[in-house]
Amino acid sequence: NAGVTQTPKFQVLKTGQSMTLQCAQDMNHEYMSWYRQDPGMGLRLIHYSVGAGITDQGEVPNGYNVSRSTTEDFPLRLLSAAPSQTSVYFCASSGQGDQPQHFGDGTRLSIL
Amino acid sequence: AQSVTQPDIHITVSEGASLELRCNYSYGATPYLFWYVQSPGQGLQLLLKYFSGDTLVQGIKGFEAEFKRSQSSFNLRKPSVHWSDAAEYFCAVGARSGGGADGLTFGKGTHLIIQP
Repeated sequence: NAGVTQTPKFQVLKTGQSMTLQCAQDMNHEYMSWYRQDPGMGLRLIHYSVGAGITDQGEVPNGYNVSRSTTEDFPLRLLSAAPSQTSVYFCASSGQGDQPQHFGDGTRLSIL
Repeated sequence: AQSVTQPDIHITVSEGASLELRCNYSYGATPYLFWYVQSPGQGLQLLLKYFSGDTLVQGIKGFEAEFKRSQSSFNLRKPSVHWSDAAEYFCAVGARSGGGADGLTFGKGTHLIIQP
């Protein structure tokens, strides 16, 4: 049982490049979320999903796209990377009902 | 929309001393409340959660937290800290289905330093 798996763990991009951060969970969870963590800011919600085909914006969605074609996967896309998107990205999932979110180990992304 | 305030950015505690980390939240109804811990370069580990019922909740690693509705607080406590408790601590609030249905709102974190 792998839980929430994020790939890659580290990535360096140049400004303007595109990239997809992968998130997969094997717990059959309906709910999935993406957060970014910046020093002194805690974690901020980017996008979330309550099931396949349903996504919504969080607090800081600009510059990011998501889709949810399957229950297991929730990729986060950066269409044109900017230095302001340098951050650590966490994916989380949880099941229906009163269940806490399970977090992946994070992706550390640097944009030059 | 909900919000979370962790008033202390840094806290220094001597090993063996007691600890209290403060968390205040803003939300119109009864929230789902969480404390997470993050060691340097690591992911987030759930320490404890409050969903309903008993307002004093026990977590892992000897931590506990008390939900006080009148004060909109959910402070984290530990009677005796160990050097391994040095980490970043985050308080978080959720609105629906444990917070999973529309994501969590996190505080900015408290950095705990343990003095020998």
